[in-house]
Amino acid sequence: DAGVIQSPRHEVTEMGQEVTLRCKPISGHNSLFWYRQTMMRGLELLIYFNNNVPIDDSGMPEDRFSAKMPNASFSTLKIQPSEPRDSAVYFCASSFGGGARGYTFGSGTRLTVV
Amino acid sequence: EDKVVQSPLSLVVHEGDTVTLNCSYEVTNFRSLLWYKQEKKAPTFLFMLTSSGIEKKSGRLSSILDKKELFSILNITATQTGDSAIYLCAVENNDMRFGAGTRLTVKP
Repeated sequence: DAGVIQSPRHEVTEMGQEVTLRCKPISGHNSLFWYRQTMMRGLELLIYFNNNVPIDDSGMPEDRFSAKMPNASFSTLKIQPSEPRDSAVYFCASSFGGGARGYTFGSGTRLTVV
Repeated sequence: EDKVVQSPLSLVVHEGDTVTLNCSYEVTNFRSLLWYKQEKKAPTFLFMLTSSGIEKKSGRLSSILDKKELFSILNITATQTGDSAIYLCAVENNDMRFGAGTRLTVKP
């Protein structure tokens, strides 16, 4: 198994542009999590899906952030418009049943908004 | 609101020292507590704790959970420079929530 696959690995964009981050969970996992990691705030849970349905999006910082999971093998996190304070590493993780069973991180996307 | 709080936020020690990292939590529907080590990339799994008072050990690392007082500690004995990393505590309830981490620096 290739693990949780995130793309791109690095993204540099200008303020105001739309950014789309992608995640492919491990096959068979039915829960998917998006996190943002910064020095100041640590690893924050943004949203998680169970069986492709968003369960808790209370961590999504603003309306500029949106996440979708159209099927069991793909999710996107979109920021529109992006701002410099969105610069962070964004991690995706997947597991069985919403918790720690099989819990696996992707390698992350380092986003820089200039 | 669910909370996972780690302390200290950062720690600098010398090789050979022993360190203790702390994690306290307030969550509903607690299922387990996990420790991760993060170096340059994604966090890697260290321990999963579900029962109070049972120590988990892996080499120089060990961890224990107290479900009555709602905390866990991670001990590292005889630290080495390769132990330098961010150590993350996570609590599994209906999802997985992480603390802010402890940044450990081990100097030669």
